[in-house]
Amino acid sequence: GAVVSQHPSRVICKSGTSVKIECRSLDFQATTMFWYRQFPKKSLMLMATSNEGSKATYEQGVEKDKFLINHASLTLSTLTVTSAHPEDSSFYICSVHSGGATGANVLTFGAGSRLTVL
Amino acid sequence: KNQVEQSPQSLIILEGKNCTLQCNYTVSPFSNLRWYKQDTGRGPVSLTIMTFSENTKSNGRYTATLDADTKQSSLHITASQLSDSASYICVVSATNAGKSTFGDGTTLTVKP
Repeated sequence: GAVVSQHPSRVICKSGTSVKIECRSLDFQATTMFWYRQFPKKSLMLMATSNEGSKATYEQGVEKDKFLINHASLTLSTLTVTSAHPEDSSFYICSVHSGGATGANVLTFGAGSRLTVL
Repeated sequence: KNQVEQSPQSLIILEGKNCTLQCNYTVSPFSNLRWYKQDTGRGPVSLTIMTFSENTKSNGRYTATLDADTKQSSLHITASQLSDSASYICVVSATNAGKSTFGDGTTLTVKP
């Protein structure tokens, strides 16, 4: 399966600043990447689908101007939390959609990024 | 509406004991079902992947079963270890959609 690297693993920022999180597919050309948000003791909530070379598709209720997604290459997608506020503090995870050995769709996740907004 | 329900929500067992986690789904048309383990503060890691034709898949001490007729899956963990303490997430994909449906997960705590 694919190897996914996510950076940074932890970031602390002041309210009002912007934070960029990177998701890299190290050994797989990913035309599609997914971004999730996870609250404590909850499962992953899909925020948006990142499409290489085109606009991201956002889930209902996710502010596209707040969470900017750029997928400029087949190996890199970035999530920028703009004008961050304390309520944006969360665990953000990306995943790559790849085909497995069985041919079944496989999601490989990054290690996640813990954002804390002060 | 595609849904994935997991039970129990949480589970505490003693080290060395076995346990079984359940996943019921209504995703259709079914493509595949995956179990992931998520350690606290980390991303999910794939344990097993099963397609329609597979009814059992093992990965070390983890054995997943799938009953496509009843739309149920289970994850059995044998001889549990302290490192098995984590959240276990069931994810189901449909053949006609690029998105997957996530269960809320089962939080397993293994105590010495």
